[in-house]
Amino acid sequence: DAGVIQSPRHEVTEMGQEVTLRCKPISGHNSLFWYRQTMMRGLELLIYFNNNVPIDDSGMPEDRFSAKMPNASFSTLKIQPSEPRDSAVYFCASSLSGLKEQYFGPGTRLTVT
Amino acid sequence: DQQVKQNSPSLSVQEGRISILNCDYTNSMFDYFLWYKKYPAEGPTFLISISSIKDKNEDGRFTVFLNKSAKHLSLHIVPSQPGDSAVYFCAALATSGTYKYIFGTGTRLKVLA
Repeated sequence: DAGVIQSPRHEVTEMGQEVTLRCKPISGHNSLFWYRQTMMRGLELLIYFNNNVPIDDSGMPEDRFSAKMPNASFSTLKIQPSEPRDSAVYFCASSLSGLKEQYFGPGTRLTVT
Repeated sequence: DQQVKQNSPSLSVQEGRISILNCDYTNSMFDYFLWYKKYPAEGPTFLISISSIKDKNEDGRFTVFLNKSAKHLSLHIVPSQPGDSAVYFCAALATSGTYKYIFGTGTRLKVLA
């Protein structure tokens, strides 16, 4: 199994630009999570999907952030417009509902200048 | 407000000795706890977990202890090996709700050869 796949691995963009992060969960997993890691706050859950439906988006920082899951094998996290304070590592994770362990992708390091 | 706290940002231990990583939580609804290990440029990987009905769970060199009255858990690594050098995150969730992890900010463990 290839595990959770994220792209791109690194993204450098200028303030005000749109950024799209992509995630392919493990085949057969029906829960998908987007996290953001910063030094100050550690790993924060941004949004959680179950069977492609957003269940909890209370962690999405503001309207500039949006996430979609059009099918069971693909999800995107979009930031528009991006700001320097969005610079962080963004992780996608997937799991089987009812199983508590989540499997993380390698992350996307976003730098907004 | 941090519901899950790892108050030691870093820890250094000599190879062969015991490493003890600590985690405190505030929400009494949490009933399942996990430890994840993270190497640089990789996503976190699941290490060990414990349900609140237990006070100890062991897997090889790794043991997690849970003290519910103190709302405290710890991860013991014995003996510590240089390959254990990583950032360790504890996570908590309330299984009666959604599978939403709350992560601590992590402890960086360095095992000295």
